[in-house]
Amino acid sequence: DADVTQTPRNRITKTGKRIMLECSQTKGHDRMYWYRQDPGLGLRLIYYSFDVKDINKGEISDGYSVSRQAQAKFSLSLESAIPNQTALYFCATSDQTGRHGYTFGSGTRLTVV
Amino acid sequence: GESVGLHLPTLSVQEGDNSIINCAYSNSASDYFIWYKQESGKGPQFIIDIRSNMDKRQGQRVTVLLNKTVKHLSLQIAATQPGDSAVYFCAENGGSNYKLTFGKGTLLTVNP
Repeated sequence: DADVTQTPRNRITKTGKRIMLECSQTKGHDRMYWYRQDPGLGLRLIYYSFDVKDINKGEISDGYSVSRQAQAKFSLSLESAIPNQTALYFCATSDQTGRHGYTFGSGTRLTVV
Repeated sequence: GESVGLHLPTLSVQEGDNSIINCAYSNSASDYFIWYKQESGKGPQFIIDIRSNMDKRQGQRVTVLLNKTVKHLSLQIAATQPGDSAVYFCAENGGSNYKLTFGKGTLLTVNP
C-alpha cells in the first residue's frame, strides 16, 4: 500500500458543487499538507497542519477548507467549486523536523465544468 | 535551467549521457534544499536533499551541487536512462522548518 493515499484519483464536478478530496497516510507523520499544481505555476500551498488540532492557511487558501480528522487523515473541501479550481491536487506529509523532504500522494485530478 | 518563478524549461539528452538540471533560488535564508522527480501521472518523488552547510552531496547516480554565493542549485544525473524522463524540480525551505517553496520544474527527455 502507498504511504500517502489520495481519493479519488480523478473527479469531474459541476460549478457550485461541494467536493471533498481525501488523504490518508501510514507514515506516522504529524505534518500534512495540501498543494495545488497548475501548468506553468508549479506547486502552491493551500493548507497545512502540524497535528490534529492545528490548521494553517497557505498561500492560496481562498475557496478551500480542510479538516484534520485524525493524525493520519487530512481532507480538503471545495465548498462551491468553480472552473479555475480545475487542477491537480497533492497531499503530502513530513516529519516534525520538516528536513527530510515531503512524501507526496499520487494526486487527484479535479475538473470543474 | 530552472528558476523558482519561470516557465517550464526542457532538456533533451541521449541515453547514457550525463544530465545537468539547474535551479536558481531567491531566498537567501533558505538552508535546506530538495530535488524531486515527477513522472507523468504520479506525485513528486524525493530524489536527494542538501543542507546549506554542504556544497555537494552524492546519491546513486545523482549529485546535487549548492552554490550559496550565487544562490544556485544543480542536479547532475550520471548515465541518464529512459526511466529518468520526468519533470524535475527543486524546493527550498526559506529558512523555515515547516514550509517548502517549489520551483516550476524542468522537463527531462531521454532519447534512446
